[in-house]
Amino acid sequence: EDKVVQSPLSLVVHEGDTVTLNCSYEVTNFRSLLWYKQEKKAPTFLFMLTSSGIEKKSGRLSSILDKKELFSILNITATQTGDSAVYLCASYNTDKLIFGTGTRLQVFP
Amino acid sequence: DAGITQSPRHKVTETGTPVTLRCHQTENHRYMYWYRQDPGHGLRLIHYSYGVKDTDKGEVSDGYSVSRSKTEDFLLTLESATSSQTSVYFCATQARAREAGELFFGEGSRLTVL
Repeated sequence: EDKVVQSPLSLVVHEGDTVTLNCSYEVTNFRSLLWYKQEKKAPTFLFMLTSSGIEKKSGRLSSILDKKELFSILNITATQTGDSAVYLCASYNTDKLIFGTGTRLQVFP
Repeated sequence: DAGITQSPRHKVTETGTPVTLRCHQTENHRYMYWYRQDPGHGLRLIHYSYGVKDTDKGEVSDGYSVSRSKTEDFLLTLESATSSQTSVYFCATQARAREAGELFFGEGSRLTVL
């Protein structure tokens, strides 16, 4: 059975800290891995990682994909209160995107 | 932002009643998905569609049916709602699943079954 597992389930940090969010996956017909940020409403897209793009960076956020060990990490440096959200990891099995349960990040001033 | 509209945005209904949620998109995306989101479960795929009249089941399809008679509309129906179907429902679209790329999400529909 396909599955995507995220850890930790929740994380509480102070502004300025660096955090690492983990995502492991077991899916048949793997095609790509995606990260989303969800605040109060719909998830918003952060990164997509594939065989041809195993590292992505955008400002304070970066992500890598390890296809051999079947995991990905999302790093956030110099966290801000606006980073507080649920971070979702998802992996494609052919044409279906399968999500993990998410990591809830709370950043306090 | 992709033009994805869900309706209704909020609904309270009673056990045993039928409910239909509508997802409308203006992007001409081929693929459309219905997810439900519950605490501790993340987003779980209910049904998806890869074209007009072409649909398939996801991981939690029991108790749900879908229809797609036009590219722009994807309907999710609960034939006889149960309290376990209380959830937030998200519709999502994607232009071409061959690219295994970004899904665009609607704003969600909160359904409460009493």
